[in-house]
Amino acid sequence: GENVEQHPSTLSVQEGDSAVIKCTYSDSASNYFPWYKQELGKRPQLIIDIRSNVGEKKDQRIAVTLNKTAKHFSLHITETQPEDSAVYFCAASGAAGNKLTFGGGTRVLVKP
Amino acid sequence: DTAVSQTPKYLVTQMGNDKSIKCEQNLGHDTMYWYKQDSKKFLKIMFSYNNKELIINETVPNRFSPKSPDKAHLNLHINSLELGDSAVYFCASSQLILNTEAFFGQGTRLTVV
Repeated sequence: GENVEQHPSTLSVQEGDSAVIKCTYSDSASNYFPWYKQELGKRPQLIIDIRSNVGEKKDQRIAVTLNKTAKHFSLHITETQPEDSAVYFCAASGAAGNKLTFGGGTRVLVKP
Repeated sequence: DTAVSQTPKYLVTQMGNDKSIKCEQNLGHDTMYWYKQDSKKFLKIMFSYNNKELIINETVPNRFSPKSPDKAHLNLHINSLELGDSAVYFCASSQLILNTEAFFGQGTRLTVV
């Protein structure tokens, strides 16, 4: 089955700096790669996603890149703000019943 | 209107008890899931139902039994609760064919004492 690895597990950045989270996946049949943000005590919510026919997607301060050959994708947050502090999960799906397989999560702390 | 709702939000119970968590979605999605989030925040899929039929059953103890009376509902029944079952359980739904975003419920924090 699919295996998604995510790094780093924790990330501390100064407000205004950029944050980058990287994920790798194992199943070349996966074709949908969403990123979820989970604030403390809340549910995971989608912040951006990318499909395998696209290499990069941007939405304001967040962007995602995908390298299908290397089977890795990354989340970039620019000009970080304290409200960006949360746990971020990458995920992959498209194979085996389209279940979402999540990475282990990255706890991001933005220091003011 | 809440898209995916699950009840209860908190559940504290003793070892050996049987408990249920209910989930309902009003998005018209055909697929619903149960995920378990442990203390280290790792999100792991347990079950997936498509149009009331079980399509994914990860390695989950038989004490966990999902039930989908219709495609808008997916309930989770847990027998003989153990300490290790303590976690946050999330229900989610998506449209399988489109392979799109999964919407999550607010979670049920289960504590077994």
